[in-house]
Amino acid sequence: AAGVIQSPRHLIKEKRETATLKCYPIPRHDTVYWYQQGPGQDPQFLISFYEKMQSDKGSIPDRFSAQQFSDYHSELNMSSLELGDSALYFCASSRDRGDTEAFFGQGTRLTVV
Amino acid sequence: LAKTTQPISMDSYEGQEVNITCSHNNIATNDYITWYQQFPSQGPRFIIQGYKTKVTNEVASLFIPADRKSSTLSLPRVSLSDTAVYYCLVAFVYNQGGKLIFGQGTELSVKP
Repeated sequence: AAGVIQSPRHLIKEKRETATLKCYPIPRHDTVYWYQQGPGQDPQFLISFYEKMQSDKGSIPDRFSAQQFSDYHSELNMSSLELGDSALYFCASSRDRGDTEAFFGQGTRLTVV
Repeated sequence: LAKTTQPISMDSYEGQEVNITCSHNNIATNDYITWYQQFPSQGPRFIIQGYKTKVTNEVASLFIPADRKSSTLSLPRVSLSDTAVYYCLVAFVYNQGGKLIFGQGTELSVKP
């Protein structure tokens, strides 16, 4: 069965650079979530989309932005990267808005040096 | 959103039944209780969801008392591969969009 695809799997950036993470949800899933998980921490909700519109916003820094495109893939754009942005970034999708069964991707490990 | 409280860690041995209890005292009428499992460096994986009483699937059971202020995830006969972090989430299921908020999970260690 198709799963949530994230790319790249690993990314190394320098401070103050920008990064773009991509997420391809499971086909026919109309809700996408983004999470950030620092070392030894719990996943922190960043932002979600339903039918290509922003649905909810969590603790997403102003330096970050995200969008969902017409083909339902989503991108998380991160600018002016800081060392503290080093983390695993997960994307998840669910069949329906409000569906608590979300399917997570393998994550993108971002390292800022 | 209702705040959840779980034990930080638990130890068990292979073959035992493990029960992880989560308290959510201010759960709202429309909130559902969902549990996720996460292995290191992997995304969380949905285990089970319930609203009240008992729910069972092929991997776990979820017990929810009548007042819904707590819930217990039961893992029958755990194996070493069940070593993971388990998260209890309380999420409002509605058709305007939702967000899944992860609190502090329970780190389960299964020993031989």
